Amino acid sequence: EAGVTQSPTHLIKTRGQQATLRCSPISGHTSVYWYQQALGLGLQFLLWYDEGEERNRGNFPPRFSGRQFPNYSSELNVNALELEDSALYLCASSSQGADYGYTFGSGTRLTVV
Amino acid sequence: GNSVTQMEGPVTLSEEAFLTINCTYTATGYPSLFWYVQYPGEGLQLLLKATKADDKGSNKGFEATYRKETTSFHLEKGSVQVSDSAVYFCALSDRGDDKIIFGKGTRLHILP
Repeated sequence: EAGVTQSPTHLIKTRGQQATLRCSPISGHTSVYWYQQALGLGLQFLLWYDEGEERNRGNFPPRFSGRQFPNYSSELNVNALELEDSALYLCASSSQGADYGYTFGSGTRLTVV
Repeated sequence: GNSVTQMEGPVTLSEEAFLTINCTYTATGYPSLFWYVQYPGEGLQLLLKATKADDKGSNKGFEATYRKETTSFHLEKGSVQVSDSAVYFCALSDRGDDKIIFGKGTRLHILP
């Protein structure tokens, strides 16, 4: 069974540009979660999508947005990139919700220069 | 709000030493508790979990017991190996928002 896959592995963007990160959940998982792991800050919850709808978002500005497609894959968009957006962005999926834990992908390393 | 506090690292031990990484939590209700591990250059892997008070989660020689009275979920291993070197995250499920809240992580170095 394929795990959670994320692409690209690495992404380098210039300040002010837009970044698009992609995630494919485990087959059968309808929920996708996005987290930001910035250096020294641990994992910060970004967004939760389930059945194509945004269910919850963390304390991030509106320039962080995303969507979930009918096949449950998901996209995270970051507009007007700032240097402090440089981080590892992790996607996770679940079929049973937070109580049972998530399965994480390997992440996309975003570097803003 | 709900939160997780874990001991700061890095923690450096010799191979075959006993490991304890402390974790305490604050939560309303009865969350599930988790330990995740992140090896260099990789995402997070679920190491073990416990869903109710007094449950013991275990995997790969690691153990943690859900202690409601002390709001703790300390990670232990009797004899660590060099391959255990990684960052360990304690976490809880926030049932109100259906998301997982993570501690800041503890980096573990095991010396041969």
